[in-house]
Amino acid sequence: ETGVTQTPRHLVMGMTNKKSLKCEQHLGHNAMYWYKQSAKKPLELMFVYNFKEQTENNSVPSRFSPECPNSSHLFLHLHTLQPEDSALYLCASSQEFDFYEQYFGPGTRLTVT
Amino acid sequence: AQSVAQPEDQVNVAEGNPLTVKCTYSVSGNPYLFWYVQYPNRGLQFLLKYITGDNLVKGSYGFEAEFNKSQTSFHLKKPSALVSDSALYFCAVRDQAGTALIFGKGTTLSVSS
Repeated sequence: ETGVTQTPRHLVMGMTNKKSLKCEQHLGHNAMYWYKQSAKKPLELMFVYNFKEQTENNSVPSRFSPECPNSSHLFLHLHTLQPEDSALYLCASSQEFDFYEQYFGPGTRLTVT
Repeated sequence: AQSVAQPEDQVNVAEGNPLTVKCTYSVSGNPYLFWYVQYPNRGLQFLLKYITGDNLVKGSYGFEAEFNKSQTSFHLKKPSALVSDSALYFCAVRDQAGTALIFGKGTTLSVSS
């Protein structure tokens, strides 16, 4: 999975901690995405960036803060999370919007204690 | 509003038998349809997509899917299942005006030897 990489792969944090998830794509794509995957639920789109500009914020709580410094990197800053935020966080990229398929990273398994 | 349904939580087939994983969708206008597969502890991998043209789409690992506009379906098929096909399969849809890809809740495919 060298196309889209995510670090760390696993993260355990307390509710008062601040941490960041990192995503990097090596595919020359222009769009990047954050998804949340919880057990028994469909993937939830959180944020979309196109050419470094945020184009969609899917009613995500402010304790999640995205950052996209360039088209290859995407961060998700976390602070004062809740136990229900424990999930697999997936990053994806695509050439552009429209009909281009998305390529996913392996995800960060987040546990909030 | 866009939506996608995968009516089966799990599909069980014997190795060598044909498999079908069902997907139905609802969009306004013409759909862009995708299938992804997720192996344990991995991100989603793109299998195939329908944008326009031939209703039968061929993808990776011998999978194919048939677009049926009248039944608003996009079922995933494979003529002969392998044990290594066992994974979680997601159908996704986007309409031509949308930016977000809407995923189904996933279907677990179990292929027994």
